[in-house]
Amino acid sequence: QVHLVQSGAEVTKPGASVKVSCMASGYTFINYDIEWVRQVPGQGFEWMGYMNPDNGKTGYAQKFQGRVTMTRDTSINTAYMELYSLRSEDTAVYYCARYDTRQRNGFDMWGQGTMVTVSS
Amino acid sequence: SVLTQSPGTLSLSPGERATLSCRASQSVRTNYLAWYQQKPGQAPRLLISGASTRATGIPDRFSGGGSGTDFTLTISRLEPEDFAVYYCHQYGFGRDTFGQGTRLEIK
Repeated sequence: QVHLVQSGAEVTKPGASVKVSCMASGYTFINYDIEWVRQVPGQGFEWMGYMNPDNGKTGYAQKFQGRVTMTRDTSINTAYMELYSLRSEDTAVYYCARYDTRQRNGFDMWGQGTMVTVSS
Repeated sequence: SVLTQSPGTLSLSPGERATLSCRASQSVRTNYLAWYQQKPGQAPRLLISGASTRATGIPDRFSGGGSGTDFTLTISRLEPEDFAVYYCHQYGFGRDTFGQGTRLEIK
């Protein structure tokens, strides 16, 4: 069974950084991009960027360029998203999702989400 | 490309037909348009991709249509478990955007 399991909730201060992990199981990790999307509670979704686990290639939304890094460790089938210089507006649920760039059939599996709270 | 969903809230009864709209400010390239369902406290679930292809395990009462800038999600006969928030999403070219959602509530 395909699963994406994310790390637990984080509470952090303005100006700090946070690193969220996303562990994949039940499929070949390097065959699907990992996408990162966030959702401010009670609001819609905001796409942050993607990472190709096979070659490490990344693409970031312009809004987050210079403030986000997406990486992976293929030995443990885990992707990471690190967001820097946090501000209160970054308080949100962060999701990873997988995307098949060959089938191009949307984000067909999502992690359970990681709540990140930025507060002084 | 901005995706605008309508209506914001749709109040219907079980057994009725639901039609949700998603309009793009620019044509969606190769109709890479997906629909998701989200229930409170849960991650989204993929329903439709490529504007009209149902995802694995999605009941056939869900159907997607449209092309270019105008897309629809139709639920032919609402079941109690269908009451949720629905989002459209244009993807595939590194500039993904989502609609703001349509809340489908029980009348």
